[in-house]
Amino acid sequence: DAKTTQPPSMDCAEGRAANLPCNHSTISGNEYVYWYRQIHSQGPQYIIHGLKNNETNEMASLIITEDRKSSTLILPHATLRDTAVYYCIALPDAGNMLTFGGGTRLMVKP
Amino acid sequence: ETGVTQTPRHLVMGMTNKKSLKCEQHLGHNAMYWYKQSAKKPLELMFVYSLEERVENNSVPSRFSPECPNSSHLFLHLHTLQPEDSALYLCASSRGVLMNTEAFFGQGTRLTVV
Repeated sequence: DAKTTQPPSMDCAEGRAANLPCNHSTISGNEYVYWYRQIHSQGPQYIIHGLKNNETNEMASLIITEDRKSSTLILPHATLRDTAVYYCIALPDAGNMLTFGGGTRLMVKP
Repeated sequence: ETGVTQTPRHLVMGMTNKKSLKCEQHLGHNAMYWYKQSAKKPLELMFVYSLEERVENNSVPSRFSPECPNSSHLFLHLHTLQPEDSALYLCASSRGVLMNTEAFFGQGTRLTVV
């Protein structure tokens, strides 16, 4: 599975967009990019995933570069409840064993 | 509420005790997972079950013994644990191990070994 690299921490002002980057320069053609988040002392929560095209759901948008070597998770209007650790994971199309790295600790501030 | 329920939420046990963690899902999923999250460390995958068969065991010490009696239930039996085994233990489920779909996690059991 491709290794992903994320900044350890980021701050964002409440109400502004939070843009969380992820580098996955060794991703292979059949690997999807998944995003999960973990609010303090809770289980991780699925956010969104994609292969090539940009994706949007009620929680977030996922922008994947054309060469697929990096992606950005966008929370359009961050709230205090979005404070969490965000994990970017590359998973093959026939595989579901999530391997978590350190993630990005997002702090949304008033 | 994710549909994956873990009990108990908190557990304190002595090093000579035997206890079990329980995980239950009624999402119709065929794969279930145990993860361990120690303080300041990433989540570590411990065990994976697919259709009640264990398909992954990530070099976990034998003092942790998983059991999957049916596709809806997963247990983690604990015996003679060490203080360094204190952690948040998370259960997850997904439609299948070989299917590219999201996993659903329980709230975890916070285990303290004294």
